[in-house]
Amino acid sequence: KQEVTQIPAALSVPEGENLVLNCSFTDSAIYNLQWFRQDPGKGLTSLLLIQSSQREQTSGRLNASLDKSSGRSTLYIAASQPGDSATYLCAVRPTDSWGKLQFGAGTQVVVTP
Amino acid sequence: GAVVSQHPSRVICKSGTSVKIECRSLDFQATTMFWYRQFPKQSLMLMATSNEGSKATYEQGVEKDKFLINHASLTLSTLTVTSAHPEDSSFYICSAWRLNTEAFFGQGTRLTVV
Repeated sequence: KQEVTQIPAALSVPEGENLVLNCSFTDSAIYNLQWFRQDPGKGLTSLLLIQSSQREQTSGRLNASLDKSSGRSTLYIAASQPGDSATYLCAVRPTDSWGKLQFGAGTQVVVTP
Repeated sequence: GAVVSQHPSRVICKSGTSVKIECRSLDFQATTMFWYRQFPKQSLMLMATSNEGSKATYEQGVEKDKFLINHASLTLSTLTVTSAHPEDSSFYICSAWRLNTEAFFGQGTRLTVV
């Protein structure tokens, strides 16, 4: 059974520092991996989607890498801002489970001014 | 970008009543939608897969008679929590895949049963 782990569970950094969020998964048989952002009491906002054949994706200050063989993905957020404070979730889409995402527990990020 | 709209965002109901939550894909058709439940400080737990024109598929441990799912059109799925009890209080989120490629999520519904 696929298991997704996110470390650390919580992170607090001063504004301007770079953020590094880790996601690991136990089964490399995935279609893709997605990073989401969730604000308190809100739904999920898709940040980056990495297909299984890709190594990384970039959008603005965000960069996500994927090493499928080792079961790892890392989300980098450059020059963090207080507005980046949120919970970040990674999710994998297994190849044997159409459409069903397997989520990690998330990393709660606080960026202090 | 693609938008999935969920309504209502918050609902408070009395114990024993039923509550309906709607999930709409606004700019794409979704033959399949997914319903998740999220407990405080925890990740999302898949409850069921909603299929347009057919019965929903429920995950193990989810009571299908309590959580009724209807997917009447290519853009609308509804989740009805029947005879709600305080333990059903939770955050419910729906999602849909656009072009079978990327998952988009609704804004979520905070259900409080009193």
